[in-house]
Amino acid sequence: SQQGEEDPQALSIQEGENATMNCSYKTSINNLQWYRQNSGRGLVHLILIRSNEREKHSGRLRVTLDTSKKSSSLLITASRAADTASYFCLSGAGSYQLTFGKGTKLSVIP
Amino acid sequence: DTAVSQTPKYLVTQMGNDKSIKCEQNLGHDTMYWYKQDSKKFLKIMFSYNNKELIINETVPNRFSPKSPDKAHLNLHINSLELGDSAVYFCASSHWEVHEQFFGPGTRLTVL
Repeated sequence: SQQGEEDPQALSIQEGENATMNCSYKTSINNLQWYRQNSGRGLVHLILIRSNEREKHSGRLRVTLDTSKKSSSLLITASRAADTASYFCLSGAGSYQLTFGKGTKLSVIP
Repeated sequence: DTAVSQTPKYLVTQMGNDKSIKCEQNLGHDTMYWYKQDSKKFLKIMFSYNNKELIINETVPNRFSPKSPDKAHLNLHINSLELGDSAVYFCASSHWEVHEQFFGPGTRLTVL
């Protein structure tokens, strides 16, 4: 399968806790992006990390990239109920070779 | 103003029919994409198009064809619809050199 892997498939946490999601991919990449999808909606871009970067921050989001292990992680700190959504990684080897992970469904309990 | 729009939002049709889904973006992007999200929520790229070059995912049946009348539009035509085509189809756009993609709200296709 060309689909990348994400774990966990589902994650349930209390509001205020941190949420960590992992993504693995199969080929060499130029960049990796994370997207959020609320139920029944389109995807929203969260953050992009390039292959020569190891860590990136944006607000409550922290992304790491380990190209030797072909893996990335997304950390959401101080989670809120509004963070409840599915999160997908998108690995890119050029604009043509784009592969989504299977996604992690995050539930944040108020 | 809607950045990436798709019509229709829902499409219910019979097997064997031909249908089209329209996509428009007002972001001035030069690259557009079509994705399919199946019942397990798996997302796969079907096409990417940057007004000069169309890249087709080799797993996409040739019953699917993208058509771009101009840079702001990339429509998806599907011939001889099959049950397995039932899914949510997303259109997206980006600048060629900037990889952040903006997604449309999706079109839920149901083939009966």
